[in-house]
Amino acid sequence: AQRVTQPEKLLSVFKGAPVELKCNYSYSGSPELFWYVQYSRQRLQLLLRHISRESIKGFTADLNKGETSFHLKKPFAQEEDSAMYYCALSGSVHGQNFVFGPGTRLSVLP
Amino acid sequence: NAGVMQNPRHLVRRRGQEARLRCSPMKGHSHVYWYRQLPEEGLKFMVYLQKENIIDESGMPKERFSAEFPKEGPSILRIQQVVRGDSAAYFCASSPRSGGNYEQFFGPGTRLTVL
Repeated sequence: AQRVTQPEKLLSVFKGAPVELKCNYSYSGSPELFWYVQYSRQRLQLLLRHISRESIKGFTADLNKGETSFHLKKPFAQEEDSAMYYCALSGSVHGQNFVFGPGTRLSVLP
Repeated sequence: NAGVMQNPRHLVRRRGQEARLRCSPMKGHSHVYWYRQLPEEGLKFMVYLQKENIIDESGMPKERFSAEFPKEGPSILRIQQVVRGDSAAYFCASSPRSGGNYEQFFGPGTRLTVL
């Protein structure tokens, strides 16, 4: 069964500090991993996906199949990064649904 | 392209009434997903539909909940005989195709309050 865990419900860091939001998954096949973000009063939107291997707003995430992790990192947090972050997994089988983690609320303090 | 539209944005119902939530996917998208977010919890998948077909309803409660995506018009999530525990935010997302390579675009959500 597909499962995504995000161990931290809330993560607080100071502006300029590095931030890492943890995500672990379980899936027997080849998963597609995503990070979605929801800023205050905005709709959920895609932040990045592992197949793109890109950096968005300074965030990167590397898929580690050995550790079944897809942690989201940013070297220097900004106050505007404060938001709810969801890790999500999609199976490679047709018709598989998305599975979202419970989310981590990131609070960047001034 | 106006993005995924959901209406109403807020819906108040008394226990026992019916709730109908509507989702219009982005233009050109034929895949719709419904999620529920209970207070202080993450998103929970409910159902995945294509036009006129339910592909995966493994997240739908067995009773009182139903969903459709007709050939014409929006997708509808219907909750019959609502109870207080149904109070939540319901999000709809759409994608042009199925599978992991295609981003899901989310609507603003409908916040259902059951009195």
